[in-house]
This record gives sequence, C-alpha cells and structure tokens, in this order.
Amino acid sequence: DVKVTQSSRYLVKRTGEKVFLECVQDMDHENMFWYRQDPGLGLRLIYFSYDVKMKEKGDIPEGYSVSREKKERFSLILESASTNQTSMYLCASRPTEPTNEKLFFGSGTQLSVL
Amino acid sequence: GQNIDQPTEMTATEGAIVQINCTYQTSGFNGLFWYQQHAGEAPTFLSYNVLDGLEEKGRFSSFLSRSKGYSYLLLKELQMKDSASYLCACEGSGANNLFFGTGTRLTVIP
Repeated sequence: DVKVTQSSRYLVKRTGEKVFLECVQDMDHENMFWYRQDPGLGLRLIYFSYDVKMKEKGDIPEGYSVSREKKERFSLILESASTNQTSMYLCASRPTEPTNEKLFFGSGTQLSVL
Repeated sequence: GQNIDQPTEMTATEGAIVQINCTYQTSGFNGLFWYQQHAGEAPTFLSYNVLDGLEEKGRFSSFLSRSKGYSYLLLKELQMKDSASYLCACEGSGANNLFFGTGTRLTVIP
C-alpha cells in the first residue's frame, strides 16, 4: 500500500516562529501536494510539486513556501507563523500516470499557532 | 473557474439510505472523485466516475451525469460508522487538476 507520512500529528507553535511540516511518500509519485483544511472552507491547495525542485502555487500560497529536494519528500514552510495559520494541514501524492489516479493522503498535522 | 457545491450537513437514520449530491462547474472536466473523511483523519478514496451512469461498490454507489454537471453518492444500509464528511472532487485539466467541494458532514443516528 502507498504510504504518505507526515512527521507530526499535532504541533503547537508561537507567533513568529519558523515552522517546517515534513511529508514523505514511498511510492515514487511525481506529484505532491500541500492542502489546508478549515471548517466550512474544505480543502484548499497551498502548493504542489510535479517534480524534484519544481513547485507551483495553489489557491492560497501567501505566507507559505515549499521545498522538494528529493522526489519522496515535500516540505511546507511557514516563514513566520501567524494565528490565522492555525489549521489542519494535509499532504498528498499521486502519480502522473495513470492520469485519473486518486490522491493518497497523509494522516494530517493539526497546527496551532498561539 | 471552478465551482463545486454540496450540502453542508445531512442527518440520516441507521439502516436507511442517504443520497449526497454534488453539482459542479469546471473547465476541462475529466472525472469526479468521492472521498470519505472521519473527524480528525485524512480523506480516504471511495469512488471515481468518468463515464455517465452508476458505479456500485458494496453499500456505496456513485452516479455521474456529465451533461448536467451532477453527481451523487448513495449510501445504503447506513451504519453508525458512516458518520463522516464526504468530499466531492472534480478532476480538470492541467498539472493541478483536482478541485474539492467543501464537504458534506453526514450524521447517522440510531
């Protein structure tokens, strides 16, 4: 089975801290995604990557950056955490082929910024 | 642009049948996914429809009408464990091609 692993299940950080959320997948998928999920707003795409060192902005990239130095790892970085970044963060991956393959999700990181 | 609508909340009785609707307007539509998400957990894949019609998978079925921009998820013989959010997601064209609705929170009551 495909496994997408997020390094932390729960995180508590202070305003202004730099925060790293790590995601690793073990199925050689080309595409990796970072979403945040908030009540009433659903899943919103922050950034995605379709290859090593490649990244594309999603719908809400402001306040975030990403890094993909290796194919299996996709990191989300909050340069200076703010309280409005308190959310559930979900990492996902999928292969490029077949084109209709489902997304495989990690178990999520609940981030609280105080 | 992308627009996906589904009801926010639904309640149904254990043992009953419930239908969760999803309407969409997207560019370059390729197919539609349904995911289940229990509280505090990651979404898990339920179904994928690319052709018009009904796809049945045990107690769960999913229907698609491409001409009407409409899909539904049908859950039969409801069980308490079916209480969860159900996410509709449309696949469009391009590298970032999956767009999610806000989800329908289903509560199953005894």
